[in-house]
Amino acid sequence: NAGVTQTPKFQVLKTGQSMTLQCAQDMNHNSMYWYRQDPGMGLRLIYYSASEGTTDKGEVPNGYNVSRLNKREFSLRLESAAPSQTSVYFCASGRSNQPQHFGDGTRLSIL
Amino acid sequence: GQQVMQIPQYQHVQEGEDFTTYCNSSTTLSNIQWYKQRPGGHPVFLIQLVKSGEVKKQKRLTFQFGEAKKNSSLHITATQTTDVGTYFCAVLDRNNDMRFGAGTRLTVKP
Repeated sequence: NAGVTQTPKFQVLKTGQSMTLQCAQDMNHNSMYWYRQDPGMGLRLIYYSASEGTTDKGEVPNGYNVSRLNKREFSLRLESAAPSQTSVYFCASGRSNQPQHFGDGTRLSIL
Repeated sequence: GQQVMQIPQYQHVQEGEDFTTYCNSSTTLSNIQWYKQRPGGHPVFLIQLVKSGEVKKQKRLTFQFGEAKKNSSLHITATQTTDVGTYFCAVLDRNNDMRFGAGTRLTVKP
């Protein structure tokens, strides 16, 4: 099993560009999550999806949109990238209130 | 939202020394999870504590949940270089969102 797969692993964007981060899990988990990780700030929840067809805002949703395409896939979109969105992005999946399984992360730099 | 404070932010130890990181909340927690993230890696789940006063052990790691379910600790006995990384606690806030502490970054000098 691959677990949680994120693509791409690295990306450099210019301010104002858009892009979509992809995430897929093969563990049949209902819940999926997107976090960003910045130095000294731990992981902050951007959006999550408790089940297929539902999405909810987390702690820092501004500037992002998400799509729960099906049970396996949960994508994160930056419509107009800003330097403040330079970060490492992690996707995770799990059963409700149970441990989360993380992908390897996407290192995103916005110039 | 739920505030979970984790201390210390950094800890540097000599190999063989013990290490402890603490997680404190202003409100009663339903449970607490601990994760480890190696440098350049992703968080990996270590353990979940649910019961008041619970103590769990994994080899040299000891996890405790406070009696009031407002704090927790992770203690490593006789650290090794393989223990290097950042240790996070994670709790559910009142919206049922997972909130991570800022983490304690552990470095171990051989």
